[in-house]
Amino acid sequence: DGGITQSPKYLFRKEGQNVTLSCEQNLNHDAMYWYRQDPGQGLRLIYYSQIVNDFQKGDIAEGYSVSREKKESFPLTVTSAQKNPTAFYLCASIDGGLAHTGELFFGEGSRLTVL
Amino acid sequence: SQKIEQNSEALNIQEGKTATLTCNYTNYSPAYLQWYRQDPGRGPVFLLLIRENEKEKRKERLKVTFDTTLKQSLFHITASQPADSATYLCALSDGGYQKVTFGIGTKLQVIP
Repeated sequence: DGGITQSPKYLFRKEGQNVTLSCEQNLNHDAMYWYRQDPGQGLRLIYYSQIVNDFQKGDIAEGYSVSREKKESFPLTVTSAQKNPTAFYLCASIDGGLAHTGELFFGEGSRLTVL
Repeated sequence: SQKIEQNSEALNIQEGKTATLTCNYTNYSPAYLQWYRQDPGRGPVFLLLIRENEKEKRKERLKVTFDTTLKQSLFHITASQPADSATYLCALSDGGYQKVTFGIGTKLQVIP
């Protein structure tokens, strides 16, 4: 079955450590997104990529980095510069071209806890 | 900046009744308004989308209305069931690959 796979589902890290969250999709979608979800707040966009080897900052990109070397993969690195990294991270993708209506397909999320 | 408001308080209703959730937005004229369902610890799942030139959209027991004058969408679940208990997210977009902006969601609890 096609879908988006995020790993790991749970991750613990010590302060000062970088950590990379994996996101892989086999939906053949062009665009991929990373959102962060915190209690009492809506999903906030970190980075997005519309095409391989290109990506743009979202609303809260500081302390994060991404790469898009393959269409299927969009890993997110949470760096030590991110002041409040403990959160639920969601990867998503969009089907179709610019005429598409823009509904998102989400992965199951990765919960990062900084100890 | 654009802002989406959903009732942050949980909505409790009796099984079989119609649940109505509200989404209000400001400083934005979206081309599309979307509703998603999210279960605890899971990723959101797309439910329905309505375009700016549509007044109402239905899918099985779900109905969405979109009033661009009031800048409001109502999401209805008829004949609600305990399995409908979840958090429902409202989202706005301009389509294509443009950013999708989310509200905080409303938690719905359907009581047997």
